[in-house]
Amino acid sequence: AQSVTQPDIHITVSEGASLELRCNYSYGATPYLFWYVQSPGQGLQLLLKYFSGDTLVQGIKGFEAEFKRSQSSFNLRKPSVHWSDAAEYFCAVAASGGSYIPTFGRGTSLIVHP
Amino acid sequence: DTGVSQNPRHKITKRGQNVTFRCDPISEHNRLYWYRQTLGQGPEFLTYFQNEAQLEKSRLLSDRFSAERPKGSFSTLEIQRTEQGDSAMYLCASSFAQETQYFGPGTRLLVL
Repeated sequence: AQSVTQPDIHITVSEGASLELRCNYSYGATPYLFWYVQSPGQGLQLLLKYFSGDTLVQGIKGFEAEFKRSQSSFNLRKPSVHWSDAAEYFCAVAASGGSYIPTFGRGTSLIVHP
Repeated sequence: DTGVSQNPRHKITKRGQNVTFRCDPISEHNRLYWYRQTLGQGPEFLTYFQNEAQLEKSRLLSDRFSAERPKGSFSTLEIQRTEQGDSAMYLCASSFAQETQYFGPGTRLLVL
């Protein structure tokens, strides 16, 4: 079975600074990988996903993530954070060729200082 | 707005009572998923439907939990004889086949 580790429970950055949220997964083959964002009172919104091909994936809201097979990682990055990016971020992995049910990490809470 | 909707948004109940939550998916989506999310954790998969068929239900937390999607459109999740440990956010998502899942805002359950 697949699993996801998000080692940082909280991350604090200043507005305008760069951001990297870490995600490590465990799965025997090439996985499907996702990043979702959850704002208070809102449902989860998909930021980006990786299925195959180019390992650098561009998403919405200026986010990108890079799949590194050798490190079993799929870290999320943004060059300049806005105050509105403050939210909970979830990395998820799904088995390729399976039922496409994602397993989520516990999330990283992003705090943005003005 | 044609997104996923869930009702009610909040539910407070007493231990031992039954509760039922409703999810209305995006209209053209044939798959519907239920998740539970507890404080400080990511969503945990419970069950899913393809049209009216429930294809996976082994991850339902106990036999007190059941879900239906009688006409392949909306779905209900019922919890019988609620316990305090059932307090959580219950999320619904829908998708077209194996494409991206779109999540609703969730139903927050508090069991007193």
